Amino acid sequence: QLQLQESGPGLVKPSETLSLTCTVSGGSISSSSSYWGWIRQSPGKGLEWIGSIYYSGSTYYNPSLKSRVTVSVDRSKNQFSLKLSSVTAADTAVYYCASPRAIFGVVPFWGQGTMVTVSS
Amino acid sequence: DIQMTQSPSTLSASVGDRVTITCRASQSTSSWLAWYQQKPGKAPKLLIHKASSLESGVPSRFSGSGSGTEFTLTISSLQPDDFATYYCQQYNSLLGTFGQGTKVEIK
Repeated sequence: QLQLQESGPGLVKPSETLSLTCTVSGGSISSSSSYWGWIRQSPGKGLEWIGSIYYSGSTYYNPSLKSRVTVSVDRSKNQFSLKLSSVTAADTAVYYCASPRAIFGVVPFWGQGTMVTVSS
Repeated sequence: DIQMTQSPSTLSASVGDRVTITCRASQSTSSWLAWYQQKPGKAPKLLIHKASSLESGVPSRFSGSGSGTEFTLTISSLQPDDFATYYCQQYNSLLGTFGQGTKVEIK
């Protein structure tokens, strides 16, 4: 059974870069046809896709966040990462890593989620 | 983006009740619609995909129906473990979008 676990700072200052890592166990991040992604949940915006990466390395980003988002894979560590730059209070949310069945598709596997607060 | 609107926002029900939640899309999503259950402090759990296909291990009291722009999630006989918030998600467009959620609470 695939398991995902987020890690990273719980507090980020405004204008800085939010960085999170997701460690995958129970499966290989390089498995063919596998997708990996990030979803966030805030009281104001609900559940929102941030970005997704295909096993080949192709990335797909939410257009509303595209200019600030980078999703990447570290195959040697079986991890993938999220970087969100120039954060504001509006980026305060619970961030989930996920393994969807397609780019921004159905999500059978989720991490437990990590709360990130943007505040000085 | 396709906007997803759920109704009601909150639903009060008793154990044993039949419960129906509606999800409407701003444009057709064909049958590319999923339902999730979320409990406080936990990640969402996938219940149904492709509008009516039950995920493995999900109790048969959960069912989904609909196509195009209107979908429903039905719980045939509400159990104590079912008090939670439910979300729909369309994945017909490149950017999958979620509804705002329906909280099922104890009456």
